[in-house]
Amino acid sequence: GAVVSQHPSRVICKSGTSVKIECRSLDFQATTMFWYRQFPKQSLMLMATSNEGSKATYEQGVEKDKFLINHASLTLSTLTVTSAHPEDSSFYICSAREQGGEQFFGPGTRLTVL
Amino acid sequence: AQSVAQPEDQVNVAEGNPLTVKCTYSVSGNPYLFWYVQYPNRGLQFLLKYITGDNLVKGSYGFEAEFNKSQTSFHLKKPSALVSDSALYFCAVRDPSGGGNKLTFGTGTQLKVEL
Repeated sequence: GAVVSQHPSRVICKSGTSVKIECRSLDFQATTMFWYRQFPKQSLMLMATSNEGSKATYEQGVEKDKFLINHASLTLSTLTVTSAHPEDSSFYICSAREQGGEQFFGPGTRLTVL
Repeated sequence: AQSVAQPEDQVNVAEGNPLTVKCTYSVSGNPYLFWYVQYPNRGLQFLLKYITGDNLVKGSYGFEAEFNKSQTSFHLKKPSALVSDSALYFCAVRDPSGGGNKLTFGTGTQLKVEL
């Protein structure tokens, strides 16, 4: 199957700082990318859907000014957690899909905010 | 609205025995159904999917799932479990009608296979 990478795999930051997570589709062009958040022993919660070159569509309850998503190219999407706080600590997973194709998931990024 | 239910938080099986992880769904149209597996601190790995056609779908690592429209179920099965199958399993549904784009996941079932 196709490969989706995420960087970094793990990040620890101080409260109030911003953190950027990259998601790349390595061997296909992802017209749509998805960002999920997963709390311990819980399911994946969709945060937002982004299409290349357009603004992301956020799910209800997700603050778009706090979780900035950029999908500038067909192989790269970034999630920036702005002014992070301890409650933002979570496992963030991106997913990418080419037009009419399968959805593939990245390995996830563990964010810990101190 | 689409939804998925995985009624069991955990399933325990002895190695070599058959395993079943249950999933039921609710969509307004014809569903696309998926099973994913997640190992600790890792992303999701695709196991199998049902889009159309044969109700019995075979996937990776010897897993299979049966689509049952009347019972709105898509249970995951394997004839002989391995200790290495121990992981968190997610069922997901997508309703493609009207251009539906989103996967909705169940709450996950922790599978524990013991010697």
